Amino acid sequence: DAGITQSPRHKVTETGTPVTLRCHQTENHRYMYWYRQDPGHGLRLIHYSYGVKDTDKGEVSDGYSVSRSKTEDFLLTLESATSSQTSVYFCAISARTSGGPSTDTQYFGPGTRLTVL
Amino acid sequence: QQPVQSPQAVILREGEDAVINCSSSKALYSVHWYRQKHGEAPVFLMILLKGGEQKGHDKISASFNEKKQQSSLYLTASQLSYSGTYFCGTEDDYKLSFGAGTTVTVRA
Repeated sequence: DAGITQSPRHKVTETGTPVTLRCHQTENHRYMYWYRQDPGHGLRLIHYSYGVKDTDKGEVSDGYSVSRSKTEDFLLTLESATSSQTSVYFCAISARTSGGPSTDTQYFGPGTRLTVL
Repeated sequence: QQPVQSPQAVILREGEDAVINCSSSKALYSVHWYRQKHGEAPVFLMILLKGGEQKGHDKISASFNEKKQQSSLYLTASQLSYSGTYFCGTEDDYKLSFGAGTTVTVRA
């Protein structure tokens, strides 16, 4: 358990409304990530952060923005939700592998299922 | 660029073996393997750091051929608990690119 929580866990919204998803971690990790998961596409990186107020785009960043004002919180915002953004969203952190080589990997939060009608 | 996984799906009976392959068009420095059960988050299984190295997790092991830019995951004497979708991730500067996944179904 990497101490990651996501909220809300489920959300249904309408096209055109703004939506913010929250990722919260308790272990002071520097790197945080937002992915979306769709059938047939695996996990695709939306945005990531390498420190407070330091963020960068991933491969599918159009229509999304992020903010990180505190180490523990990484927010993903859909300014105007569209049906194509219906997906499962996972937050992840980068941390040392447990019981393995001294290197980092990513650990995932429980996910948020978002439906845009 | 996303790594390519094969096969897309495999069905096994308990006790059978399977191999999942992951290949990349870019040079690989590490390969990360995850398993995801339906409705749950991906769970880290193991990381391969250098060519030819094998790692194990229960009876699940993996190899990494740096030269061929490939990694393979071996499910040996499969158990019902091995069912799920397996993803490989290739690393690039603290970011991971994931394959589309291989769905494994183990039947009694």
